[in-house]
Amino acid sequence: DVKVTQSSRYLVKRTGEKVFLECVQDMDHENMFWYRQDPGLGLRLIYFSYDVKMKEKGDIPEGYSVSREKKERFSLILESASTNQTSMYLCASSLGPTPGGYTFGSGTRLTVV
Amino acid sequence: GNSVTQMEGPVTLSEEAFLTINCTYTATGYPSLFWYVQYPGEGLQLLLKATKADDKGSNKGFEATYRKETTSFHLEKGSVQVSDSAVYFCALERSQGNLIFGKGTKLSVKP
Repeated sequence: DVKVTQSSRYLVKRTGEKVFLECVQDMDHENMFWYRQDPGLGLRLIYFSYDVKMKEKGDIPEGYSVSREKKERFSLILESASTNQTSMYLCASSLGPTPGGYTFGSGTRLTVV
Repeated sequence: GNSVTQMEGPVTLSEEAFLTINCTYTATGYPSLFWYVQYPGEGLQLLLKATKADDKGSNKGFEATYRKETTSFHLEKGSVQVSDSAVYFCALERSQGNLIFGKGTKLSVKP
């Protein structure tokens, strides 16, 4: 069964810390995505990548960066965590446009205190 | 720009009731449309999809028809079960190949 694995289920960090959220997929997918999910706002796209070392800004990239050094791994970086970045973060991957849609990880619930 | 609007919840139904969750969209062209489901404590799972007008996606008793005249993709199920309790998200695929999602509709099914 195909899998997207997010390294942490729950994370608590302090304001100002640099935070790394890791995502690994085992499906040889080209495309990877980071979303955040907030009550009443649904899912919002932060960054995405269609190839190794490639990245594109999504709808809410401010305060975030990403790294994709290997095809299977896509990291989300909070350069200086703030309380308004407390959220559920969801990673997803896809083979290409449409055919299978996305495969999501289980999410990382990040709390910034 | 592209957008997805779905009915606000929560929706509470009794077991075996009929379910409709409305979803309308705004987009240029004819994007692919999706329904995803999120069970408590889990990530999202693809429920069904439709790639062109008049296509009907179906899975696990759920159905949705791509209606370009009304720019809609409403989710339906004839008889819901307690195990269908979850949050449902409507989504469309943008030209860049990524998805935008509605805000989600929470469904609770009571025995």
